[in-house]
Amino acid sequence: SQQGEEDPQALSIQEGENATMNCSYKTSINNLQWYRQNSGRGLVHLILIRSNEREKHSGRLRVTLDTSKKSSSLLITASRAADTASYFCATDEEGGSEKLVFGKGTKLTVNP
Amino acid sequence: DGGITQSPKYLFRKEGQNVTLSCEQNLNHDAMYWYRQDPGQGLRLIYYSQIVNDFQKGDIAEGYSVSREKKESFPLTVTSAQKNPTAFYLCASSPKTADQYTDTQYFGPGTRLTVL
Repeated sequence: SQQGEEDPQALSIQEGENATMNCSYKTSINNLQWYRQNSGRGLVHLILIRSNEREKHSGRLRVTLDTSKKSSSLLITASRAADTASYFCATDEEGGSEKLVFGKGTKLTVNP
Repeated sequence: DGGITQSPKYLFRKEGQNVTLSCEQNLNHDAMYWYRQDPGQGLRLIYYSQIVNDFQKGDIAEGYSVSREKKESFPLTVTSAQKNPTAFYLCASSPKTADQYTDTQYFGPGTRLTVL
């Protein structure tokens, strides 16, 4: 079963613009994570936000979490061509879960 | 040089054959996971293991088998019972957390399996 659903499925922007991706989920969670995947490669962890946090920053990344709406957003500021990748959100389940459930991802293309 | 490795990078299989995908980690992580990724899709959990000699089925375990004889190794066998095995397979590991929170997963580079 897939808990997280990213939106949009694909996003194409110019270098220097900001990119915003959204993730919605269904059940209560302990934390939400964002991962990046370059084409044909493994996933790389970007950022983790806990259910009691509302916003978190890491370099050019900004993640927000709204537990009342069961949604999160990932903002990449001043995008670069090297940011071209697929981005996935992953959630666990409140009460303790050994597993992460991944969404289908947003494919971001940053044009030089 | 710590990390998680998968081999081979590409694997070709004839129908009816079993194949085993390797996953090794030297991060001293307790938990290990196997995922399947189809084109344009997210990751689906096949099997996972929290400790040596123990593992649990994920969402799509049918046609797959695993073993966890050593902490560092979590091989996945794709059996002939798996009807549509062509996919990208990803292995991940994670440290065991002291509380109820799920921790970050570290991924290998993946194995692309093609059935001929």
